[in-house]
Amino acid sequence: EVQLVESGGGLVQPGGSLRLSCAASGFMFSTYFMSWVRQAPGKGLEWLANINLVGSQEYYVDSVKGRFAISRDNAKNSFYLQMNSLRVEDTAVYYCARYQEGYFDLWGRGTLVTVSS
Amino acid sequence: DLQLTQSPSSLSASVGDRVTITCQASQDIINYLNWYQQKPGKAPKLLIYDASNMETGVPSRFSGSGSGTYFTFTINSLQPEDTATYYCQQYDDLPLTFGGGSKVEIK
Repeated sequence: EVQLVESGGGLVQPGGSLRLSCAASGFMFSTYFMSWVRQAPGKGLEWLANINLVGSQEYYVDSVKGRFAISRDNAKNSFYLQMNSLRVEDTAVYYCARYQEGYFDLWGRGTLVTVSS
Repeated sequence: DLQLTQSPSSLSASVGDRVTITCQASQDIINYLNWYQQKPGKAPKLLIYDASNMETGVPSRFSGSGSGTYFTFTINSLQPEDTATYYCQQYDDLPLTFGGGSKVEIK
């Protein structure tokens, strides 16, 4: 089955760190750019980051640049989002997605990250 | 950043109605625009890419059109299962951005 499955969400204190993982299956993972998108409670969608096929190019929205890092391991069919210096406003459902020629054509179910003291 | 303004932010229509949502870009994005459907508690789903191309498996009552700065998304003959929030998304420039969403409900 073609799917993406996120893991690693949870409750973290402001200033803390968390690492999200996304496991891909059912398609040739190494031939796709991959992305992270988040959605704060009751809000719209916000693109966070993209990574290219081999992990040599990363792209970020300004609000997470310098705090978040996207990476991938093609041997494990997985990619990641390392989140540091977390803020209350980073509380959201985080989705991993497959990025193809400008659109997100496959999404995970999402993992909730709550930043609170 | 490139802004996408969706209208209306919410609407209520009857089963069988034709529903149209607009998405206006703050600059010319040619046809680099996609549409997604998100049902409550679920991940978004791609419906339309490159303004007017239907993703495989999407019912033919969904369609998209437009170019430049003005785009429309239409549901012909609204069905109960179409209750959802719909988002446009541009990829002309980074950061990739989404519209604010249009919530569609059944009367």
